[in-house]
Amino acid sequence: GDSVTQMEGPVTLSEEAFLTINCTYTATGYPSLFWYVQYPGEGLQLLLKATKADDKGSNKGFEATYRKETTSFHLEKGSVQVSDSAVYFCALSDGANDMRFGAGTRLTVKP
Amino acid sequence: GAVVSQHPSRVICKSGTSVKIECRSLDFQATTMFWYRQFPKQSLMLMATSNEGSKATYEQGVEKDKFLINHASLTLSTLTVTSAHPEDSSFYICSARVILGGYGYTFGSGTRLTVV
Repeated sequence: GDSVTQMEGPVTLSEEAFLTINCTYTATGYPSLFWYVQYPGEGLQLLLKATKADDKGSNKGFEATYRKETTSFHLEKGSVQVSDSAVYFCALSDGANDMRFGAGTRLTVKP
Repeated sequence: GAVVSQHPSRVICKSGTSVKIECRSLDFQATTMFWYRQFPKQSLMLMATSNEGSKATYEQGVEKDKFLINHASLTLSTLTVTSAHPEDSSFYICSARVILGGYGYTFGSGTRLTVV
């Protein structure tokens, strides 16, 4: 079945460092891809999404491009802040609309 | 480790009936669980946060009398959709907060509810 494989981490960076969290997927159809963020003590929040190949989702300085040829949707940010410390989840939604999540990557940004 | 078992995976019910969805933490104690709903072709929406032994905190716009959440033990949280209607048909998923050398989150496999 459809699945998502995500770099598990944890990831620790200094403020203003470049961030990449890898995400690859397997799917029989053409899923939509998502990145969610979860701050301590809170529920998931949608960070960005892409619905078709070559789409780029972006929000709050984060970006991810839907790469069909490499079945990837890596999350990037050029300069992280302490406030970006959270857990990040890659996910896909297939044609049946059910969600599949990656394992989550904990990011800690130190001042 | 840190597995959440969610049942049923799929359920079809008649309008007006109630449906209970269970999420169990199999190898850890879940003091906090989150319940999400996914509308067709949309992203996941947080419905409520449940803490063991206390009342759930519902997100704005979620009817607490319709979506009853019970978190009576450290290993079980339930979501009951009462007097279900076709518009309640959706994908529901739970998530538990895991404390393992820090914190993390693990998800159930989801429940596809169809109300006919």
